Amino acid sequence: GESVGLHLPTLSVQEGDNSIINCAYSNSASDYFIWYKQESGKGPQFIIDIRSNMDKRQGQRVTVLLNKTVKHLSLQIAATQPGDSAVYFCAEKPPDGGYNKLIFGAGTRLAVHP
Amino acid sequence: DTGVSQDPRHKITKRGQNVTFRCDPISEHNRLYWYRQTLGQGPEFLTYFQNEAQLEKSRLLSDRFSAERPKGSFSTLEIQRTEQGDSAMYLCASSSVGGGRTGELFFGEGSRLTVL
Repeated sequence: GESVGLHLPTLSVQEGDNSIINCAYSNSASDYFIWYKQESGKGPQFIIDIRSNMDKRQGQRVTVLLNKTVKHLSLQIAATQPGDSAVYFCAEKPPDGGYNKLIFGAGTRLAVHP
Repeated sequence: DTGVSQDPRHKITKRGQNVTFRCDPISEHNRLYWYRQTLGQGPEFLTYFQNEAQLEKSRLLSDRFSAERPKGSFSTLEIQRTEQGDSAMYLCASSSVGGGRTGELFFGEGSRLTVL
């Protein structure tokens, strides 16, 4: 089946630096994407979403970029803080499914060092 | 705390035993989801309810798995005759139709199952 994947399993950054987490998706017809953050021992938490008719969306300290040409999604975190340490998942809504059946990638662990 | 709550948080059982997990969603949410997550992987969709109706089930949900949401509030996920491959974190999430951000699911902290 089609799935969402990630380039890097682990990313280590210094506190205050910017972080970029990447994700490659395989279904060019997917029309909606989400980033979730999962801290140790907790369930995933919504960060930001983007529809396929956009190529960039900004939130508070986070920006999601979508490149449909190469089927690539990225999450940029500005001024990374220790509280950003977590596993980050991208998820897509399949074209034949609803928002209820998200397909998650395998995750990237972000480690922030002081 | 008015978030999604799950019980028990941890369950250790022997192969062949039955287990049941409970999920209490956010009270005003009419959609409820079950996902399964194995170590190092993203959550995998199992099933979802709108109110008391189970509208979709994944092929991952074998006949040994059954989920209910009898009154459109809390939900249970039962696994019969557990196998070692069932060991995972079972996540429950809820959302409201027409409210909030489109794809935003509110997840609980999960119920971790270990089958010996």
